[in-house]
Amino acid sequence: AQTVTQSQPEMSVQEAETVTLSCTYDTSESDYYLFWYKQPPSRQMILVIRQEAYKQQNATENRFSVNFQKAAKSFSLKISDSQLGDAAMYFCAYRSADYGGSQGNLIFGKGTKLSVKP
Amino acid sequence: EAGVAQSPRYKIIEKRQSVAFWCNPISGHATLYWYQQILGQGPKLLIQFQNNGVVDDSQLPKDRFSAERLKGVDSTLKIQPAKLEDSAVYLCASSLEVDRGRQDTQYFGPGTRLTVL
Repeated sequence: AQTVTQSQPEMSVQEAETVTLSCTYDTSESDYYLFWYKQPPSRQMILVIRQEAYKQQNATENRFSVNFQKAAKSFSLKISDSQLGDAAMYFCAYRSADYGGSQGNLIFGKGTKLSVKP
Repeated sequence: EAGVAQSPRYKIIEKRQSVAFWCNPISGHATLYWYQQILGQGPKLLIQFQNNGVVDDSQLPKDRFSAERLKGVDSTLKIQPAKLEDSAVYLCASSLEVDRGRQDTQYFGPGTRLTVL
């Protein structure tokens, strides 16, 4: 079974600085997708960025970028120029590309609570 | 475009009572998911529907939880009878479609926070 581990329960960053959130996963599959979701205090989960395992190029979305290391099974999120609105819980998630079993099921880590200091 | 709607937002019940949650997915989304998010943890899938058929309910405690999706649109999740450990946020999500080789974003609703006393 696939697992996702986020080893940093809490992180803090100064406004305008850069922070990196860590995520590792375990899988025997070769084709899969990885995601970072943001969950503000209002609880609405929002997709931040996603990565297809077959793509070597790291995904980027404005101030958000990932460092995908497939061999190491590592998927970290870098937030540049941090803003107060970035404060939230961040979840790393895995999804199999093999639809023989669970189709579309996201497997989440426990999350990292990010605080942004003004 | 309207997002995923859920109601109620909050619910407090006594153990052994029953409760139901409602979800209205984004219009046109064929796939609907119910997740359970216990405090301090990431969401865990309870059940997944493709149109009005169940795709995956392997983690649904079927002795007390049930879910249906009538006409492939709205869905209800029911707990009967509730236990203390059912206290959690119940998230509904929907995606356009799940198909081999195709990836579709899951859009989440605001969730229902259930407290069982």
